[in-house]
Amino acid sequence: AQSVAQPEDQVNVAEGNPLTVKCTYSVSGNPYLFWYVQYPNRGLQFLLKYITGDNLVKGSYGFEAEFNKSQTSFHLKKPSALVSDSALYFCAVRAFNNAGNMLTFGGGTRLMVKP
Amino acid sequence: ETGVTQTPRHLVMGMTNKKSLKCEQHLGHNAMYWYKQSAKKPLELMFVYSLEERVENNSVPSRFSPECPNSSHLFLHLHTLQPEDSALYLCASSQDMDRVVDEQYFGPGTRLTVT
Repeated sequence: AQSVAQPEDQVNVAEGNPLTVKCTYSVSGNPYLFWYVQYPNRGLQFLLKYITGDNLVKGSYGFEAEFNKSQTSFHLKKPSALVSDSALYFCAVRAFNNAGNMLTFGGGTRLMVKP
Repeated sequence: ETGVTQTPRHLVMGMTNKKSLKCEQHLGHNAMYWYKQSAKKPLELMFVYSLEERVENNSVPSRFSPECPNSSHLFLHLHTLQPEDSALYLCASSQDMDRVVDEQYFGPGTRLTVT
């Protein structure tokens, strides 16, 4: 079985500071990892994904994520946070040998960026 | 916009009512999904359709009945719901169910309140 953990319910950051939203995963086989963002009263929007290759993945809105196989982590990062980045962030994993495109989501982390 | 639309955006219904949620995707995708998002709980996958055939049903109560008349449309028929069914219902689509690298595209959701 595959699982995703987002250990922080909420992350608070001052505008202009770097941000990190943590994600760890557990799968058998090669992991395929995704980050989504959800703004209030909206559905989830795809940010970025790790499939293979470079461990540092760049995505939308200046976000990036680093895949670390030894630590089974895929933390989301941004060098300089904006107030408009405040939202709910979800990490998701899909294992290579899983039948069908079934994503397993973490519980979400609320990011609050204060001016 | 993600190319996935959902109607209605908000729905209030009594426990004896029958209503339907509608999802439409304009992306030419072959797979469609229903998710339930409740407060303080991870996203729950409810149903998966691939090329209009149901391929996954995650032990969802029979008071939820999906329908996929074609690859662009997905419905969720609701009857005799319970107050604990109140949640945000999200529809998503992806190019093909079996492609591990594909991200899913989400609609804005229907906020359902059962009174």
